[in-house]
Amino acid sequence: SAVISQKPSRDICQRGTSLTIQCQVDSQVTMMFWYRQQPGQSLTLIATANQGSEATYESGFVIDKFPISRPNLTFSTLTVSNMSPEDSSIYLCSGGQVAGETQYFGPGTRLLVL
Amino acid sequence: GESVGLHLPTLSVQEGDNSIINCAYSNSASDYFIWYKQESGKGPQFIIDIRSNMDKRQGQRVTVLLNKTVKHLSLQIAATQPGDSAVYFCAVSTGNQFYFGTGTSLTVIP
Repeated sequence: SAVISQKPSRDICQRGTSLTIQCQVDSQVTMMFWYRQQPGQSLTLIATANQGSEATYESGFVIDKFPISRPNLTFSTLTVSNMSPEDSSIYLCSGGQVAGETQYFGPGTRLLVL
Repeated sequence: GESVGLHLPTLSVQEGDNSIINCAYSNSASDYFIWYKQESGKGPQFIIDIRSNMDKRQGQRVTVLLNKTVKHLSLQIAATQPGDSAVYFCAVSTGNQFYFGTGTSLTVIP
């Protein structure tokens, strides 16, 4: 298994600003993902973070709004850009060795945009 | 793609009773399934998984049953304890991506 940490754990931000969320894994993982979870809802995949190349975004999510970096096999960042209240959500990162196989999740970042 | 749904959004059980949480999926090509537990303020925690070549798998106090004929997955928790109170998600993999159900909120009544 992998232990995943995220920073910050929560934040309150003003609209129009940007927030970068960090995800750190305690071991090398091949796959890292970023999800969004609205309160009381399920998980929606934002993108797959690819090491050394551009992330692969799901329908409805774009790089300009959610730029992602993955400089190595244990670390990734997600930036929520030009935030609006609709971006208020929980952002989760996960890691695993193979696409479609077991993923382990971080504790999440709770974002409130005013 | 895949569509995943849980039968009940909420479930209340008495402490010590058994809990059963159900999940249905749509894609017969789905071949790997995971149950996650998410406590309030935390990320999803892996509980147990099962592959499509199995129909039952047991862990500590938990059992996952897979019925590929009707595309149904269930999580059974034996002797439910207050610490089991959480939201439970099933995750279904088609090989490249996971699809998550909407979650069942389990409340254990002391």
